Amino acid sequence: QMQLVESGGGVVQPGRSLRLSCAASGFTFSSYGIHWVRQTPGKGLEWVALIWYDGSKEYYADSVKGRFTISRDNSKNTVYLQMNSLRADDTGLYYCATDQSRRPEFWGQGTLVTVSS
Amino acid sequence: EIVMTQSPPTLSLSPGERATLSCRASQSVSRNLAWYQQKPGQAPRLLIYGASTRATDFPARFSGSGSGTEFTLTISSLQSEDFAVYYCLQYNNWPPQLTFGGGTKVEIK
Repeated sequence: QMQLVESGGGVVQPGRSLRLSCAASGFTFSSYGIHWVRQTPGKGLEWVALIWYDGSKEYYADSVKGRFTISRDNSKNTVYLQMNSLRADDTGLYYCATDQSRRPEFWGQGTLVTVSS
Repeated sequence: EIVMTQSPPTLSLSPGERATLSCRASQSVSRNLAWYQQKPGQAPRLLIYGASTRATDFPARFSGSGSGTEFTLTISSLQSEDFAVYYCLQYNNWPPQLTFGGGTKVEIK
């Protein structure tokens, strides 16, 4: 069955970097765009980024533009979120989700990112 | 940015009662509106998309309506498994700048 498993979360100091992974199985990964969405204590659910099925287009929330980069490796059925210059308000649970007509459809269980000194 | 406002923040109801949740957009999102259900410790699950199309996993007691800036999620007769937090999401902009509402918690009275 369809599965998305996020990993790479942890505790990191402000200004440092972290790379999240989203590993997919149970479906034709290369046919789906993938979103990252985070859930934070301060802002609730917040859309972060979207990458097209073939990696040709990327879109970002204004709050992360220039700091975060989404990418994918279809040979590994994996999407990545490279997060640089992390801030305290980036703390939260990060989910990846399949895209269907611009909306997140099927979600993974999330990986927790804590930005703290 | 399109701001999504959900009301009420909390809805206290008994099993068998009807629940009516509202979601308002700061500008028109046409029918590009989805609802998600989230239970404690779980990821959100897509419930409604296109304002009124129910996802296959959910029973007919869930329905969505609205267009433009005003949307409603109705649960016709609450079951124990329906007590959860419900979020709306607009996905109308292009390039995409998706925005969620703040959520409505449906709790047992």
